[in-house]
Amino acid sequence: NAGVTQTPKFQVLKTGQSMTLQCAQDMNHEYMSWYRQDPGMGLRLIHYSVGAGITDQGEVPNGYNVSRSTTEDFPLRLLSAAPSQTSVYFCASQGAPGNTIYFGEGSWLTVV
Amino acid sequence: AQSVAQPEDQVNVAEGNPLTVKCTYSVSGNPYLFWYVQYPNRGLQFLLKYITGDNLVKGSYGFEAEFNKSQTSFHLKKPSALVSDSALYFCAVRDEGRRALTFGSGTRLQVQP
Repeated sequence: NAGVTQTPKFQVLKTGQSMTLQCAQDMNHEYMSWYRQDPGMGLRLIHYSVGAGITDQGEVPNGYNVSRSTTEDFPLRLLSAAPSQTSVYFCASQGAPGNTIYFGEGSWLTVV
Repeated sequence: AQSVAQPEDQVNVAEGNPLTVKCTYSVSGNPYLFWYVQYPNRGLQFLLKYITGDNLVKGSYGFEAEFNKSQTSFHLKKPSALVSDSALYFCAVRDEGRRALTFGSGTRLQVQP
């Protein structure tokens, strides 16, 4: 039972580099989202998607892009990494409204 | 706008004693409330949720939470703490018209043997 799978788990980037965090879920969930976790700030929503082909911005979308070409996958792209994007990133998915939201194990990103 | 407050950065309790982790919320409509736990270097694990119905919600690992509408609170409780309960706990809320959760800043629970 894979649930929500994120890769990579750890990544170090240089300022200005681009990269993609991968997220896949095998529960046929419509809703997927990306959060970042910073000390003392809880989790903040970056982008979310309510279904294939539909994405929208969350609380802190600047510097990130997403796409949702399939129900299963929801990659997060950092276009030009900045030290302020050093954080832990969590992907999440949910079925029907009110259902439990399931989280991936997290991706630790350091931008130097 | 929806928001969550966890007023305590850390809660310390002795093993075997009851524990409470506090959470208050603000939403425009009816709240959906959640508690998640995070162990070091891991993702968030679901503990329990309140959608509707009985104000006392029971969840995983012996945890429970009480929904209090008048005080807009959803405190997490456990009658007898274990050392293995030591972790970071997050309260989250969303109103019934949205899918996205808003999280509190987290409370670190430290249970001493």
